[in-house]
Amino acid sequence: DAGVTQSPTHLIKTRGQQVTLRCSPKSGHDTVSWYQQALGQGPQFIFQYYEEEERQRGNFPDRFSGHQFPNYSSELNVNALLLGDSALYLCASSSDRGFSGNTIYFGEGSWLTVV
Amino acid sequence: RKEVEQDPGPFNVPEGATVAFNCTYSNSASQSFFWYRQDCRKEPKLLMSVYSSGNEDGRFTAQLNRASQYISLLIRDSKLSDSATYLCVVNTNAGKSTFGDGTTLTVKP
Repeated sequence: DAGVTQSPTHLIKTRGQQVTLRCSPKSGHDTVSWYQQALGQGPQFIFQYYEEEERQRGNFPDRFSGHQFPNYSSELNVNALLLGDSALYLCASSSDRGFSGNTIYFGEGSWLTVV
Repeated sequence: RKEVEQDPGPFNVPEGATVAFNCTYSNSASQSFFWYRQDCRKEPKLLMSVYSSGNEDGRFTAQLNRASQYISLLIRDSKLSDSATYLCVVNTNAGKSTFGDGTTLTVKP
C-alpha cells in the first residue's frame, strides 16, 4: 500500500520564477492538504482539496494556487517566488469526507530553496 | 497570538526520565486533537490521538482539558530514540489541521 508520495524531493529556483509541486495521496484517500514548513516552525496550512475543489484556505497569498485531479492527486503552484518561500512543502492526505477526526498522513515533502 | 501554542523547549533530559509537554489552543470550536512526532528533516508522523477521557499508548499518555483548551503529552522512561520534535495538532469541524511550532526533546545517555 503506497503512502503519500511527493515530487520533486529537492529543488532550487530563482526569485520571480514559478514552481509546481506534485502529490499522490495514500491509496483510498480523497482529500489532499498542503502545508508550508519553514525552519523552526510547525507546518502552516496552505489549502485543502476535496472533489477537485479548494475546500479551505489558510492565510497565504494568491501566488499560491493548486489543483486536484480526478484520481485525487494534486499540484501546488507558487508564482513569483520570493526568498521567503524557501521551505519544506508537505502534502497530507486523508479520507475524512469533512470529518475532523480522521488522521492525516504526510508525504516526505519537497524542499524548495529560492535564491 | 497563535492558534496553537507550545513551549518550544528544548527539553534536555537523561534516559529514563519522565517529561511532559503542554499545548494550548484558542479556537473553542476545535473538535479533535493529536500529537505528531517529527524527526530532523523528515515529515511529521502521527504519535497518538488525544481523547477527552485521556489515553495511553505504552510509555505515552495524552490528556485533553476542553474547559481550559489545553492538551498534554507525558513520556515516561524516556529513550534515546524519543529525541525528536513533538507537534500538537488541533482540527476544526471542517477538517482543517492547525499545528503548533513544536517542542524539541533531546534524551541523553
